[in-house]
Amino acid sequence: AQKITQTQPGMFVQEKEAVTLDCTYDTSDPSYGLFWYKQPSSGEMIFLIYQGSYDQQNATEGRYSLNFQKARKSANLVISASQLGDSAMYFCAMNTGNQFYFGTGTSLTVIP
Amino acid sequence: EPEVTQTPSHQVTQMGQEVILRCVPISNHLYFYWYRQILGQKVEFLVSFYNNEISEKSEIFDDQFSVERPDGSNFTLKIRSTKLEDSAMYFCASIFGAGETQYFGPGTRLLVL
Repeated sequence: AQKITQTQPGMFVQEKEAVTLDCTYDTSDPSYGLFWYKQPSSGEMIFLIYQGSYDQQNATEGRYSLNFQKARKSANLVISASQLGDSAMYFCAMNTGNQFYFGTGTSLTVIP
Repeated sequence: EPEVTQTPSHQVTQMGQEVILRCVPISNHLYFYWYRQILGQKVEFLVSFYNNEISEKSEIFDDQFSVERPDGSNFTLKIRSTKLEDSAMYFCASIFGAGETQYFGPGTRLLVL
């Protein structure tokens, strides 16, 4: 069963606009963590933001925020004030126990 | 800032050869991981390692693969008798404790000819 689902293979956003990248997850474990990673064309995986399943507030890190809706099992990434350097693949991931599961990724292109 | 390092950055090998991919996790981290990413596809979990033994492995991680922590700093992935379909980016990652943020190395791009 697919643990992490990213339904948007590609997204476009105008520079300086906000964009939401969708992620839904599936687990019966009450304790889990949700992550977003950015993978630019150079290939490295860059950690962006983390949300724990027991966290009451949505995580924020600078221009990144995670819209965590536990009942809907969604963990969407919101990028505010998009910059050209935000163009990359974005992966949603979940860890339960000692294993991490990754989504198929969303390719974001920021248009000048 | 501490980081995970991987060597080599690129490796080209002939089908049937053995390769060893090396990783140096962040020094105080306790859990180590290997992933692979076939070009244009998602990141796939291979194996996790804790307390000098494999704690979990995926169905991809068959007898062709092995991991080792030969000393206090290195964490290696060995692929025996490589196949064309082993061509991928291989990422090492580490975390301090369960549930913590996972930090990735820059990856080793493996090409099997």
